[in-house]
Amino acid sequence: KQEVTQIPAALSVPEGENLVLNCSFTDSAIYNLQWFRQDPGKGLTSLLLIQSSQREQTSGRLNASLDKSSGRSTLYIAASQPGDSATYLCAVLIPRMDSSYKLIFGSGTRLLVRP
Amino acid sequence: SAVISQKPSRDICQRGTSLTIQCQVDSQVTMMFWYRQQPGQSLTLIATANQGSEATYESGFVIDKFPISRPNLTFSTLTVSNMSPEDSSIYLCSVVHRLNNYGYTFGSGTRLTVV
Repeated sequence: KQEVTQIPAALSVPEGENLVLNCSFTDSAIYNLQWFRQDPGKGLTSLLLIQSSQREQTSGRLNASLDKSSGRSTLYIAASQPGDSATYLCAVLIPRMDSSYKLIFGSGTRLLVRP
Repeated sequence: SAVISQKPSRDICQRGTSLTIQCQVDSQVTMMFWYRQQPGQSLTLIATANQGSEATYESGFVIDKFPISRPNLTFSTLTVSNMSPEDSSIYLCSVVHRLNNYGYTFGSGTRLTVV
């Protein structure tokens, strides 16, 4: 059974710091891994998607890496800003027996960037 | 990627009543997904809604409690029936983009409080 774990559960940093969020998964048979951002009480915004054959993706100050063999992904946020404060969720897309697929989420990292 | 309009954005309901949540997508999609996010928790898949067939429910979720409609390729509804305070959660719909490497897009969520 695929399990997705995110560490740390919460993080508080001063503005300007570079930071790394970690995600691990137990089964390397994934189609892709996606990082999302969720503001309190809101829906999810997709940040980055990494295909299983890829090693990393970049968008602005965000960089996500994927090491499928070890079951790990990291989200790197450069020069953090108070507007980055949110919960960050990683999710892996896995195959199912009926040829469909399912997105499995981690429990999230709650980030606070202090001015 | 697709744009999803979800409504209502929030509601406060009396126990024993039902609430229907609507999701409208700006493009045709084969599958739509409904998720629940209980307070302080991550997202759990409720069911997959396919156009023209019955929804497929995950373990722990039943059609009588969460009936789903999927009348066409751009629209779906989820009803939370006979509500109790334990149903207080954020409910989100989602679609997957096969042409975008199976990336997921989420609606803005419905924040439900049952009193």
